[in-house]
Amino acid sequence: GQNIDQPTEMTATEGAIVQINCTYQTSGFNGLFWYQQHAGEAPTFLSYNVLDGLEEKGRFSSFLSRSKGYSYLLLKELQMKDSASYLCASMDSNYQLIWGAGTKLIIKP
Amino acid sequence: IAGITQAPTSQILAAGRRMTLRCTQDMRHNAMYWYRQDLGLGLRLIHYSNTAGTTGKGEVPDGYSVSRANTDDFPLTLASAVPSQTSVYFCASSDSGGGAPDTQYFGPGTRLTVL
Repeated sequence: GQNIDQPTEMTATEGAIVQINCTYQTSGFNGLFWYQQHAGEAPTFLSYNVLDGLEEKGRFSSFLSRSKGYSYLLLKELQMKDSASYLCASMDSNYQLIWGAGTKLIIKP
Repeated sequence: IAGITQAPTSQILAAGRRMTLRCTQDMRHNAMYWYRQDLGLGLRLIHYSNTAGTTGKGEVPDGYSVSRANTDDFPLTLASAVPSQTSVYFCASSDSGGGAPDTQYFGPGTRLTVL
């Protein structure tokens, strides 16, 4: 079966670093996406990984290990506006996205 | 540039009524998608269209139908709404027509309540 697992909720402090993990199991693999979703809003694209390794984009980085079926999103220098849900999604062999339930990140001052 | 628009923003509907959710994109993207998002669950694909004139079933298609008469519009119809269809519905689009990995861009969503 197809399955995406990520923690339901995480709490971090403003200015700190947080790592959100995601494990995936899908029929075929065409890359791993991370999206950000603020409460009551649409998901917005953050990153895409298809090769093993770390992709850095400003304060946000995303890592992929295909052999382990594992990815993480790293957020540095946390700001209050980073309080949101972070959605992990794996693209399967039909180029369809299989979504995790999302990780709600709470930032405390 | 508006991107993707959805209408209505929210709706309360009596069970058994017919309802069409509208989705329009101005990016000339080939592929469009309808998802539902429920608390504690990931986004679930209802129907998709890789290009105008074609549609396909996603993970949870029962009770829903779609059409893709042109590139820009992708309406979702609930023929006879039931309370379990209470959800937030997101329309999305991507440039590729299902043959390559591509980023999906989302509309603002429609919050639907079926009583």
